[in-house]
Amino acid sequence: DGGITQSPKYLFRKEGQNVTLSCEQNLNHDAMYWYRQDPGQGLRLIYYSQIVNDFQKGDIAEGYSVSREKKESFPLTVTSAQKNPTAFYLCASSITGYEKLFFGSGTQLSVL
Amino acid sequence: DAKTTQPPSMDCAEGRAANLPCNHSTISGNEYVYWYRQIHSQGPQYIIHGLKNNETNEMASLIITEDRKSSTLILPHATLRDTAVYYCIVRVLSNSGYALNFGKGTSLLVTP
Repeated sequence: DGGITQSPKYLFRKEGQNVTLSCEQNLNHDAMYWYRQDPGQGLRLIYYSQIVNDFQKGDIAEGYSVSREKKESFPLTVTSAQKNPTAFYLCASSITGYEKLFFGSGTQLSVL
Repeated sequence: DAKTTQPPSMDCAEGRAANLPCNHSTISGNEYVYWYRQIHSQGPQYIIHGLKNNETNEMASLIITEDRKSSTLILPHATLRDTAVYYCIVRVLSNSGYALNFGKGTSLLVTP
């Protein structure tokens, strides 16, 4: 089946630690996105990438980093500089940057 | 950027039509209205989108007023599985490119 796979489903981070969230898609989509969702809130854009080897900051990029070395992969690293990382993280993709988004099932990140 | 306003919550009886309103009074002529829904702890799911004309697909209907300042998403025969948060989004051009900005949406509860 085609789709977007996020892993792991649950992740725990210790103080001062970097953690990486995986996002893989086999939809052959050019554009990929990372969103953060806090309890009872909407989604906020962290980073997005319209094409391989290129990405742009979203509204809340501080404390996060990404790479886009392959079309199908867009990993997100939550660095130790992100002081409030506990949230639900969602990855999405679209055919181009102008079409509807397809979302993964999300990763819940918590701080120990 | 065009903003949207949705009621925070609504109830609907199973089998009845669910009509979810959205105000977007500052929408510009080339901005589309998108609807997504998010079932608890899952990624949002695309429902429908439109520009000027009413649209219908297998999931829902979208009614856009002639002045485009508001729209209504209609689920013709709501089921318990339609209980979710529904997001009305206007596609804007911002420092996030054409990325969609999600607000808090409307929490729809379908009751037996």
